[in-house]
Amino acid sequence: KAGVTQTPRYLIKTRGQQVTLSCSPISGHRSVSWYQQTPGQGLQFLFEYFSETQRNKGNFPGRFSGRQFSNSRSEMNVSTLELGDSALYLCASSSGLDRSTDTQYFGPGTRLTVL
Amino acid sequence: AQRVTQPEKLLSVFKGAPVELKCNYSYSGSPELFWYVQYSRQRLQLLLRHISRESIKGFTADLNKGETSFHLKKPFAQEEDSAMYYCALSGKGNNRLAFGKGNQVVVIP
Repeated sequence: KAGVTQTPRYLIKTRGQQVTLSCSPISGHRSVSWYQQTPGQGLQFLFEYFSETQRNKGNFPGRFSGRQFSNSRSEMNVSTLELGDSALYLCASSSGLDRSTDTQYFGPGTRLTVL
Repeated sequence: AQRVTQPEKLLSVFKGAPVELKCNYSYSGSPELFWYVQYSRQRLQLLLRHISRESIKGFTADLNKGETSFHLKKPFAQEEDSAMYYCALSGKGNNRLAFGKGNQVVVIP
């Protein structure tokens, strides 16, 4: 099975711009979660989507949004970029069904740099 | 609120020596605890979860609800154990993971 893929792998933007990151889950997985990783805050949960619906949300401002398509691919969008949004953004997919044994599989991440 | 604490950022051990990574958590309900590992130039991946109670690559971790801890142990470190280790928790039946800041483990040959 192909693993979780994320595009693009690297991105450079300037303050005030917006950005869209994409995540393709493992085939058959219906849950996609997004995390932000920074040296200062570590790994922080952004949100989770399951069957095109947001199922869980972390403590991030409304500038961070996401969506999921019928094929389970997910995108996250960050509007009005700030310097502090520079981070590695990871997505993880899982079946989303039997949550007691569900395992999240992580992608390689998108490295976003905001100048 | 859920919080995971990993007190030591960097741990250096000699090959063959025991290794123990400490993890303490706070959570108001019944958490599920995990250890994730990231080897150099690889993705973050699940190492083990408390619910399965199994040993993976010689590592074990016991959930101690009284001490709210989930320490990771291996009796004899190998060079291939050099990696970044993250302790994480989620609420029962949900995918929202809260991670600790991680431990960099270096095994000295």
